[in-house]
Amino acid sequence: NFMLTQPHSVSESPGKTVTISCTGSSGSIASNYVQWYQQRPGSAPTTVIYEDNQRPSGVPDRFSGSIDSSSNSASLTISGLKTEDEADYYCQSLRVFGGGTKLTVL
Amino acid sequence: EVQLVESGGGLVQPGGSLRLSCAASGFTFSSYWMSWVRQAPGKGLEWVANIKQDGSEKYYVDSVKGRFTISRDNAKNSLYLQMNSLRAEDTAVYYCARKSSSWWFDPWGQGTLVTVSS
Repeated sequence: NFMLTQPHSVSESPGKTVTISCTGSSGSIASNYVQWYQQRPGSAPTTVIYEDNQRPSGVPDRFSGSIDSSSNSASLTISGLKTEDEADYYCQSLRVFGGGTKLTVL
Repeated sequence: EVQLVESGGGLVQPGGSLRLSCAASGFTFSSYWMSWVRQAPGKGLEWVANIKQDGSEKYYVDSVKGRFTISRDNAKNSLYLQMNSLRAEDTAVYYCARKSSSWWFDPWGQGTLVTVSS
């Protein structure tokens, strides 16, 4: 079964840049779109990146997404980190979600 | 404003049944695939089921096949999830979400908590 693997947690300081990876277990991750969702405690997920690298309206351009076919992975990069970015982040492709990454901004 | 509002969650005994509802507004409900996604306490997201615009196609995660039924009423702009033979492992917050052709789930409802326990 196809799986998406994310690091359990990442941490970085305010103002810095962090990248969260999402690695596909089989096949080509580039064959289907990847989405990224942000989930704050007690809230529903919201989209920060859809269709690999598109930002919904209202999502700041500090958030960007990319695909690396050589490593069969997708990445979410957040620059100029703010304390409000602290949340869980999930990648998703087709019916599969990654396990989630807890981002701590300290 | 595009909005999804779930209801119907609660505490149910193992083997029991529950029907979740999701009321949609702010978009043409009948034009979209719809989905249910769940999240067990402290765990990640898990896709549960999809339904086509006219209800003619339905897909489920293996763990709920034969027990859960997704349905919709386009006249009422509503999505449903009938859950039978509930198990402790079905305990989760259940979210309804609009699904695009690229499998983008957006928006999501606020979720409704289902607790299966004796």
